[in-house]
Amino acid sequence: GAGVSQSPSNKVTEKGKDVELRCDPISGHTALYWYRQSLGQGLEFLIYFQGNSAPDKSGLPSDRFSAERTGGSVSTLTIQRTQQEDSAVYLCASSLGGRGGGELFFGEGSRLTVL
Amino acid sequence: QKEVEQDPGPLSVPEGAIVSLNCTYSNSAFQYFMWYRQYSRKGPELLMYTYSSGNKEDGRFTAQVDKSSKYISLFIRDSQPSDSATYLCAMSDGGSYIPTFGRGTSLIVHP
Repeated sequence: GAGVSQSPSNKVTEKGKDVELRCDPISGHTALYWYRQSLGQGLEFLIYFQGNSAPDKSGLPSDRFSAERTGGSVSTLTIQRTQQEDSAVYLCASSLGGRGGGELFFGEGSRLTVL
Repeated sequence: QKEVEQDPGPLSVPEGAIVSLNCTYSNSAFQYFMWYRQYSRKGPELLMYTYSSGNKEDGRFTAQVDKSSKYISLFIRDSQPSDSATYLCAMSDGGSYIPTFGRGTSLIVHP
């Protein structure tokens, strides 16, 4: 299918290690979002990319978190020196953009467990 | 206080019941209102998208927005076991491209 693809689907790591999570958005979607979903919590916004504009990083919880989007397509979210509180499902979404965000199409998420 | 409040439930109903799911919000600038459905271990998918106040109907689903009360609702008629999922409300203002989500309400429809 041509949906949003995320990898890995599951990642178990040790505290202090770095992790990279990948997102392949739907072709032609100019907007890309990363959200985090902790157990029993809603979606917490992390970062937003729109075309070639500077990303909106206002949701990143600390400087251990960073993300890039190469060629306006694939995005990688990197978490350095992981902590146990980073354990969550990291969801990527893409959209055609527009005011209000438009319809966001989500991947199935990358489930991160930090031991 | 969070910008968007949503009771996490769980809400358990018998098959065929009418379900009412609700969110309240504090930001009067919100103009776009959405409901997403999320099955276990899946990503959310859009159910309803409305702009400003009023009602919108799509099959068994009806979304209502009351901006004066800062209150939105999703009604599900003739609920089915396949409707069992977490329902997340989301909203954004006219100048933003980033929806703010509620915590989600877990719905269980039992046969």
